[in-house]
Amino acid sequence: GAVVSQHPSRVICKSGTSVKIECRSLDFQATTMFWYRQFPKQSLMLMATSNEGSKATYEQGVEKDKFLINHASLTLSTLTVTSAHPEDSSFYICGWTSGTGEQYFGPGTRLTVT
Amino acid sequence: GENVEQHPSTLSVQEGDSAVIKCTYSDSASNYFPWYKQELGKGPQLIIDIRSNVGEKKDQRIAVTLNKTAKHFSLHITETQPEDSAVYFCAARANSGYALNFGKGTSLLVTP
Repeated sequence: GAVVSQHPSRVICKSGTSVKIECRSLDFQATTMFWYRQFPKQSLMLMATSNEGSKATYEQGVEKDKFLINHASLTLSTLTVTSAHPEDSSFYICGWTSGTGEQYFGPGTRLTVT
Repeated sequence: GENVEQHPSTLSVQEGDSAVIKCTYSDSASNYFPWYKQELGKGPQLIIDIRSNVGEKKDQRIAVTLNKTAKHFSLHITETQPEDSAVYFCAARANSGYALNFGKGTSLLVTP
């Protein structure tokens, strides 16, 4: 299957600081990618849909000024959690859709805000 | 929007037995139905998918069936092994430009 990388895999930061998560599609280029977060024992919750070269579309309840998405190229996207608070602690997962329609996910980033 | 229901939420089987997980969806425009396996602390891994022009698809011990009329699809795992233990998610989508709509997941435990 296709490979998606995410960095870092784990990050601990202090409340009020910002954290950047990088997501790369290693096997294919894609115009559209997605950012999800997952709380313990729950399903994936879509945060935003990102198209290369245009602004991301955020789901209701997700603050665009808090979760900054930079879709830099057809294989690279970053999510920056600004002024992080303990309630932002979660498992963040990125997903890319291949040219044949399958969606592949990264290994996830565990964010803990203290 | 699309609503995907998944059952059961937990499933425990003996090694060697079969496991079946069922999902229903609400949007008749959905035409792509993937299944993901997620192990603890890892991202979801695509294990099999089916498109609406197909009724069944098999890959070794894993099979997926789709009933478009009834709007439900199922994952079948035969000859289960302890390493099949994980959380399984079904999903549905109408257009590849859209995000997947996920079920709530099934925690499968295969006991030796």
